Amino acid sequence: VQLQESGPGLAKPSQTLSLTCTVSGGSISSGVYYWSWIRQPPEKGLEWIGFIYYSGSTYYNPSLKSRITISVDTSKNQFSLNLRSVTAADTAVYYCARGEWNAPVDSWGQGALVTVSS
Amino acid sequence: QLVLTQSPSASASLGASVKVTCSLNSGQSNYAIAWHQQQPEKGPRYLMRVNSDGSHSKGDGIPDRFSGSSSGAERYLTISSLQSEDEADYYCQTWGTGIQVFGPGTKVTVL
Repeated sequence: VQLQESGPGLAKPSQTLSLTCTVSGGSISSGVYYWSWIRQPPEKGLEWIGFIYYSGSTYYNPSLKSRITISVDTSKNQFSLNLRSVTAADTAVYYCARGEWNAPVDSWGQGALVTVSS
Repeated sequence: QLVLTQSPSASASLGASVKVTCSLNSGQSNYAIAWHQQQPEKGPRYLMRVNSDGSHSKGDGIPDRFSGSSSGAERYLTISSLQSEDEADYYCQTWGTGIQVFGPGTKVTVL
């Protein structure tokens, strides 16, 4: 399977950051996997944002839950992230990833840098 | 609460071995973890899953010199016959129902 993030590389403070992950080489509807977003601020570690199951069930990091929505479009084999009310602290490389239920992430996208700046 | 602890750094000479540690809370000593490698300027790569009994299962194409083990609430990644391309950040990850957690990462330096 391959995962590829896409979306604007720049977001303005207080606006919404939107990214899409396109999955190839496998079906997002297989029922075996969950589909994750993970981010990494510059020079820092990895932070789990949340994940979605093909059915639409979502699980979010409690620290970000009030600002995020993850959705899935099975017809396009894609899933998406919306992060609202962004600040400079949301500047990061955003990765999409895949894992099985109650198992670790086992495939990663290449990552997309999003900078929050006016 | 799921929390993972890692030493910030580890180092060993070219061709030697290095052991990286990931610590779970004592109450979570039955949890499995995973190891991910992030080489400089690259995205993470899944290395392996390490279970509480010390068994491990590696990702596709991961060399034999990478291995995992466990002791109590500690999970280990051992890299044998260190090569220059092993110089990287190594992150452990664990999970519960509807939650994922990453450790802070260990920077491995090849001397």
